Amino acid sequence: DQQVKQNSPSLSVQEGRISILNCDYTNSMFDYFLWYKKYPAEGPTFLISISSIKDKNEDGRFTVFLNKSAKHLSLHIVPSQPGDSAVYFCAADSIGGSNYKLTFGKGTLLTVNP
Amino acid sequence: DVKVTQSSRYLVKRTGEKVFLECVQDMDHENMFWYRQDPGLGLRLIYFSYDVKMKEKGDIPEGYSVSREKKERFSLILESASTNQTSMYLCASSPLLAGGQETQYFGPGTRLLVL
Repeated sequence: DQQVKQNSPSLSVQEGRISILNCDYTNSMFDYFLWYKKYPAEGPTFLISISSIKDKNEDGRFTVFLNKSAKHLSLHIVPSQPGDSAVYFCAADSIGGSNYKLTFGKGTLLTVNP
Repeated sequence: DVKVTQSSRYLVKRTGEKVFLECVQDMDHENMFWYRQDPGLGLRLIYFSYDVKMKEKGDIPEGYSVSREKKERFSLILESASTNQTSMYLCASSPLLAGGQETQYFGPGTRLLVL
């Protein structure tokens, strides 16, 4: 059972426009969410995170929004650049317990066209 | 900057061979992880370790084992490589934080081809 879902396998946008990547989760114990970016043949790079006590976190061109009631988060990239073309993974961490691991979505391939 | 290094970027092995993938991190992180990434399947956790000599199975441990003899080093072992283990293998590490919310930092990955 997939606890973190990225329902769009791919997304294509024009350079300069906004990219919106979506992520849904089912486990209400998740309290920390991360976005990673991955280029081919490289490891994922941490991009931005958000704690469940917030509904928005911003870092330059990247903003993550969290809607806890809908169990939904999104990553906005404004303006999109060709170098943003990569696979984006959403990940979630749960409160306490012995669980040190992150639960990842399957990823969304973003293509930014010049 | 956190640095996670993996011993090989590309590896070609034959079916039945024993394969060792090495991972080293330089940030004194307690937690280390091994994932594989396959198209359409995302990142799947194979094993993780939260301390030296400690290990726990992830979601897909079958056909793999791990070793953590030193805090900075975490090895993934394919006991008898099979073609369905052809994949991108990613190592990650994270600190142990009292409140949780640990960020994992990844190595560059090892692309393994089993013939």
